[in-house]
Amino acid sequence: DADVTQTPRNRITKTGKRIMLECSQTKGHDRMYWYRQDPGLGLRLIYYSFDVKDINKGEISDGYSVSRQAQAKFSLSLESAIPNQTALYFCATSDKTGTGTYNEQFFGPGTRLTVL
Amino acid sequence: GEDVEQSLFLSVREGDSSVINCTYTDSSSTYLYWYKQEPGAGLQLLTYIFSNMDMKQDQRLTVLLNKKDKHLSLRIADTQTGDSAIYFCAVPEGSSASKIIFGSGTRLSIRP
Repeated sequence: DADVTQTPRNRITKTGKRIMLECSQTKGHDRMYWYRQDPGLGLRLIYYSFDVKDINKGEISDGYSVSRQAQAKFSLSLESAIPNQTALYFCATSDKTGTGTYNEQFFGPGTRLTVL
Repeated sequence: GEDVEQSLFLSVREGDSSVINCTYTDSSSTYLYWYKQEPGAGLQLLTYIFSNMDMKQDQRLTVLLNKKDKHLSLRIADTQTGDSAIYFCAVPEGSSASKIIFGSGTRLSIRP
């Protein structure tokens, strides 16, 4: 079974609709991340959470919100979707890390979102 | 903040070596990573190097680190069709390893 799962895998929605992307993990990691991937731009961080009570904005948080319902679940919401939010969205997890220590991130399979 | 740059495309002939380059700006980075993304999948850690090393070799993979020039490279020897993927350089932001900054990714295509 996959350690990091994302639902849905594909979604087509219309401009102005609210949509939620969900992420679950069985790795027992405290840290969870949401990224979006656009061709030529790589991965950009939207939000990250270091534990259930800790939520932080990434470099492109405008138009998005998140909820950390439990250690294992981290959801991303688009309150009013717009076409330039069409992208591939990835959830990732990592273990706690001290300064300068190894920090591998484990990625889900991605959600392809199309906003018409 | 940290800035990580890579070229977008690389095409090599099957059996040749592939070299993917990356430059970064933050000199306090400790571990530096290479991730691989196969078609339709998420990213997966391919290899990494600690900043006190100049080179790390793992089977067909060689990672070179030039800290003075802030340059990281990934060499894949005897490139095979299964190596077709997007390769991302990833560097921690600041002295904390908690946030990772990814490059734009280099799409490696293999010619017969």
